[in-house]
Amino acid sequence: SQTIHQWPATLVQPVGSPLSLECTVEGTSNPNLYWYRQAAGRGLQLLFYSVGIGQISSEVPQNLSASRPQDRQFILSSKKLLLSDSGFYLCAWSFPTHSGANVLTFGAGSRLTVL
Amino acid sequence: AQKITQTQPGMFVQEKEAVTLDCTYDTSDQSYGLFWYKQPSSGEMIFLIYQGSYDEQNATEGRYSLNFQKARKSANLVISASQLGDSAMYFCAMREVKGSGTASKLTFGTGTRLQVTL
Repeated sequence: SQTIHQWPATLVQPVGSPLSLECTVEGTSNPNLYWYRQAAGRGLQLLFYSVGIGQISSEVPQNLSASRPQDRQFILSSKKLLLSDSGFYLCAWSFPTHSGANVLTFGAGSRLTVL
Repeated sequence: AQKITQTQPGMFVQEKEAVTLDCTYDTSDQSYGLFWYKQPSSGEMIFLIYQGSYDEQNATEGRYSLNFQKARKSANLVISASQLGDSAMYFCAMREVKGSGTASKLTFGTGTRLQVTL
């Protein structure tokens, strides 16, 4: 079976510091990978997705970037954090299929507080 | 652009009763998928149920069913026999198939917080 791991679970960072959130998937090959952000009391917003190594699509212009150095690894980064970057970040994966029933499976999330 | 609307910020239901969580959507595409996720206080998003735009029958998964009314563009979640463990945030989401390739780019609503009481 497939599992998704995301870390760190909680992070408190000062404004202007760098960020690195990591996500790995086990038990499958060539998954599609996603980063979502959830602001307090809000729905999820898609930030980035990737359909293969080195292939990153950005959905929202912002202070963040994503990379996929290995097939099952997805990294969310920032060079200088802003207060507005605070939120709950969720990594997810799905099978690479055109099927409409392409379910996203989420990791446990990383809660980022920028002070 | 696709849009998901959940008009109920919070709902209360008594244990063992049924509850309906509302979701309406807006899309110009003919092919799309509708999803419901549950988010307990731990934060993890848990997939509950899926309905395809071409599915003629309403989807069901155990105590969850999706009341799909295509003409009204609504996809309400019905939870039967509520349990205390059902207390959580519930999110409706949509995937437009056209132009998305293999990526499942979901658009989420703002969620409904369900509280199950004794």
